[in-house]
Amino acid sequence: AQSVTQLDSHVSVSEGTPVLLRCNYSSSYSPSLFWYVQHPNKGLQLLLKYTSAATLVKGINGFEAEFKKSETSFHLTKPSAHMSDAAEYFCVVSDPSGTYKYIFGTGTRLKVLA
Amino acid sequence: EAGVAQSPRYKIIEKRQSVAFWCNPISGHATLYWYQQILGQGPKLLIQFQNNGVVDDSQLPKDRFSAERLKGVDSTLKIQPAKLEDSAVYLCASRASTGSGEQFFGPGTRLTVL
Repeated sequence: AQSVTQLDSHVSVSEGTPVLLRCNYSSSYSPSLFWYVQHPNKGLQLLLKYTSAATLVKGINGFEAEFKKSETSFHLTKPSAHMSDAAEYFCVVSDPSGTYKYIFGTGTRLKVLA
Repeated sequence: EAGVAQSPRYKIIEKRQSVAFWCNPISGHATLYWYQQILGQGPKLLIQFQNNGVVDDSQLPKDRFSAERLKGVDSTLKIQPAKLEDSAVYLCASRASTGSGEQFFGPGTRLTVL
């Protein structure tokens, strides 16, 4: 069975400081992993994805994530937060060998302080 | 390329009424998903279609929810009768048969049951 744990339900950072959103996963297979962002009243937008290629994945808007198999982690980072980064972020695990079913984490709400 | 379309965007109904949501996936995407996202939670898969066949409906409350994708293109999700706890955002997503397994999400329908 697969599962995802987002370790922080809320994260607050000051504008211009680094962002770290933590995600741990459990999977019986070699998983695909995704980070999505959801702005208020908007749909889910893909930030980045890991699909067994490079372990350091770069995404849109300056975000990146590193797949660490030994730690079963896929943490999302950004060097410098912008006010527009304030949103809900979801870590997702998917089984690429089966139905590609998504298992979502519970989400982390990022607040960016001026 | 047009994205996933959903309508309506918002719906308010009384409990015990019925409601239907429509989704048109990205052209050529064989797999279509319906998710329920309750406020403060991550999306939960309700049903997955491959063309016009059901792949996974294990989390669909079949006593009140139904879904169809008759021609393997657009899909309808229905709730009859609605309960207060059905208040949520209903997200539709689609996925191509090849590629990384990435799902593309529509803007969602926000349902409020009074």
